[in-house]
Amino acid sequence: DTEVTQTPKHLVMGMTNKKSLKCEQHMGHRAMYWYKQKAKKPPELMFVYSYEKLSINESVPSRFSPECPNSSLLNLHLHALQPEDSALYLCASSFLGLETQYFGPGTRLLVL
Amino acid sequence: AQSVSQHNHHVILSEAASLELGCNYSYGGTVNLFWYVQYPGQHLQLLLKYFSGDPLVKGIKGFEAEFIKSKFSFNLRKPSVQWSDTAEYFCAVNARSGGSNYKLTFGKGTLLTVNP
Repeated sequence: DTEVTQTPKHLVMGMTNKKSLKCEQHMGHRAMYWYKQKAKKPPELMFVYSYEKLSINESVPSRFSPECPNSSLLNLHLHALQPEDSALYLCASSFLGLETQYFGPGTRLLVL
Repeated sequence: AQSVSQHNHHVILSEAASLELGCNYSYGGTVNLFWYVQYPGQHLQLLLKYFSGDPLVKGIKGFEAEFIKSKFSFNLRKPSVQWSDTAEYFCAVNARSGGSNYKLTFGKGTLLTVNP
């Protein structure tokens, strides 16, 4: 089973709202990732967690706050987003950093 | 830092035509190479990967890719495409990015349109 699940599938939020995206995997993977994908563009790495510790932050604005409560869960907390943050947010996981990453279906976010 | 270049932005083929999508990367160390596919409205799926060994790797749905180390290339091929192959194809390189961290870098993608 190579399934990564993400909730919600769609999210509409105002610029003053606080919301969270959730990602879950049960493959025993120890690395988890958040990517942002704009239409007709490749995924762009945002954060990497390795063994539940933040190992890479690609200079993402602080209005995006990741959290890894345990080895199976990854959250992305959103606060005071801008309309340009509207995108597909993808979660991925892998056994280790150099291994194959498996992607979830994404959360399509619209910021009004 | 590594970078990935995909030669074609949009490729249009008729069914049964042969396909080759180019991918070149720049990185001086050890890399793992991937092709991912994103069908319309669906999520990224792994098509094939190269870690080591035989440089000709086979993936799902009749796709294959050849790693040529001297050319820093990892081109994707399929002898005969089908309408259902219409999708966006991303080449990606996974390599060390400072310390013990690794980073997956994607090319800009190639949109393949197959006409019936």
